[in-house]
Amino acid sequence: EPEVTQTPSHQVTQMGQEVILRCVPISNHLYFYWYRQILGQKVEFLVSFYNNEISEKSEIFDDQFSVERPDGSNFTLKIRSTKLEDSAMYFCASNRDGTNYGYTFGSGTRLTVV
Amino acid sequence: TQLLEQSPQFLSIQEGENLTVYCNSSSVFSSLQWYRQEPGEGPVLLVTVVTGGEVKKLKRLTFQFGDARKDSSLHITAAQPGDTGLYLCAGCPAAGNKLTFGGGTRVLVKP
Repeated sequence: EPEVTQTPSHQVTQMGQEVILRCVPISNHLYFYWYRQILGQKVEFLVSFYNNEISEKSEIFDDQFSVERPDGSNFTLKIRSTKLEDSAMYFCASNRDGTNYGYTFGSGTRLTVV
Repeated sequence: TQLLEQSPQFLSIQEGENLTVYCNSSSVFSSLQWYRQEPGEGPVLLVTVVTGGEVKKLKRLTFQFGDARKDSSLHITAAQPGDTGLYLCAGCPAAGNKLTFGGGTRVLVKP
């Protein structure tokens, strides 16, 4: 069963530091996403990415956030200057054609900002 | 803003009993997806329903999409301890691919 792989599984960072979360989507998928889940809250959409550009983003995804597909396999989420409230589980997801037929999520990166 | 409300938030039943989880919205979705999430893991897709009134079965799990495509239900027959987990519904809008998640239903099946 193909998987979406995320690294690291845990990241602790000091407030104000930059972090990069990494994801390797499923190889024949074309649409990539980042979601986050603050402890005890709903899973929230951050951004979708297709054809090397952002196709949709939420209000959460402000100037402190950026995404990149630096090569043919990795998909990264960068937070420039982390805040305490950025502490959450960050999930990468992908699907093949961006339609309604389900997403494959990675296991997540738990980000703790101290 | 599209919202999805799941009910109940928590359900505790004995092995062998049936249970139903509901997912409701005032908005129309082009599809509704059900996921199961284990602690510390990402959501795992169980099923996607696309057509209003559609019913899909996955072994002892039955998923239904409302006729108006605003609501969905998950019914588990003869629940087993292995069904214990967090069940999430997520809706996909008519335009775009952004999923809106419900708050989840935590199911506990006691042996």
